[in-house]
Amino acid sequence: EAQVTQNPRYLITVTGKKLTVTCSQNMNHEYMSWYRQDPGLGLRQIYYSMNVEVTDKGDVPEGYKVSRKEKRNFPLILESPSPNQTSLYFCASSYKPGGYYNEQFFGPGTRLTVL
Amino acid sequence: KQEVTQIPAALSVPEGENLVLNCSFTDSAIYNLQWFRQDPGKGLTSLLLIQSSQREQTSGRLNASLDKSSGRSTLYIAASQPGDSATYLCAVSSGAGSYQLTFGKGTKLSVIP
Repeated sequence: EAQVTQNPRYLITVTGKKLTVTCSQNMNHEYMSWYRQDPGLGLRQIYYSMNVEVTDKGDVPEGYKVSRKEKRNFPLILESPSPNQTSLYFCASSYKPGGYYNEQFFGPGTRLTVL
Repeated sequence: KQEVTQIPAALSVPEGENLVLNCSFTDSAIYNLQWFRQDPGKGLTSLLLIQSSQREQTSGRLNASLDKSSGRSTLYIAASQPGDSATYLCAVSSGAGSYQLTFGKGTKLSVIP
């Protein structure tokens, strides 16, 4: 089944403790991205990647890192999480950025709470 | 910077009614527009994707239109059902290489049996 998977689905952590949220897709998509969703603010893009080893900042990149060493994986790294990073996080992928078929497919989300 | 607005923020209709959700965007230089559905606590499900060269797309009871020059899109839902209750989001792909996706804040739809 074609899908985007995220792990963990739920995470409660404390300020300053490094964490990684994994994202994997099995559709051979070039493009992957991370979003956060907050009440009243909607979905905002954190980082995106056009292909392996190619990443760029979205609208709200501060406090986050990403890497794209393999086409299928795009982990989100919080080196020193803070309470303002408490949010619902989504990973997404699409076939061909800029091409005709670039429908975005989303993972199920990761609910992160930073105490 | 691209901004996407969805009106109304919430909508309640009786079952069986036809309805229209609105989406507007400030920069008409888009590559495509996508409508999503989000159920509470869940991820996003893609409903329809309209390329910038297209005027509309249809899937079952859903029809989405795009007027790029005026910066508007509508999602028409025919014969609404309680199972259609969800938040509907529109998102536009714009910027160099169409890598940036900008979302509206959504319309929360409730279909009353």
